[in-house]
Amino acid sequence: GPKVLQIPSHQIIDMGQMVTLNCDPVSNHLYFYWYKQILGQQMEFLVNFYNGKVMEKSKLFKDQFSVERPDGSYFTLKIQPTALEDSAVYFCASSSEGRTEVFFGKGTRLTVV
Amino acid sequence: GQQVKQSSPSLTVQEGGILILNCDYENDMFDYFAWYKKYPDNSPTLLISVRSNVDKREDGRFTVFLNKSGKHFSLHITASQPEDTAVYLCAAGEGQGGSAKLIFGEGTKLTVSS
Repeated sequence: GPKVLQIPSHQIIDMGQMVTLNCDPVSNHLYFYWYKQILGQQMEFLVNFYNGKVMEKSKLFKDQFSVERPDGSYFTLKIQPTALEDSAVYFCASSSEGRTEVFFGKGTRLTVV
Repeated sequence: GQQVKQSSPSLTVQEGGILILNCDYENDMFDYFAWYKKYPDNSPTLLISVRSNVDKREDGRFTVFLNKSGKHFSLHITASQPEDTAVYLCAAGEGQGGSAKLIFGEGTKLTVSS
């Protein structure tokens, strides 16, 4: 079936540094999402993105976070600067239009030390 | 507060048995309800979903029931198999301009013993 690829699968970064998480969404999908899952907790919505713009973001989407998809390449989540509480698994997702099946990647495990 | 809640963190069932996974939600505006299945270190994949204008949907061994007045939906699995062993996540959402923002439950870890 359609796959969302996330690169890398694991990332360890020093607190205060910048990190970029990459997502290759399903081709021809138009809506893109990031979710965050802290160990032992539920997956939580961060942001959705359509037509080059953030449509909605949650309170977890701090000012240090940004998303973009330049020229149809990777959909990225950038955190600058990182903080210890950013340690989590970040799931990327995409859908062809709203309110239908959302396809998820395997996640990137981010550890901020 | 938690908008979507799964009552059981874990469940065990014998192979061939029937099981029910439950999910409660708070937001009256939710109009899309889904169950995702997740293996360790893998992506959540959609198992079955239903819109708010339907109170039941069946797909093979899997049936989702929606009780809107009770703000509750459930997943019934019949003839359970060892490969059903996974974490099951319920999710609910309301589309905004076409985008599907999903609110997830904490997950129920299901073990099917043979």
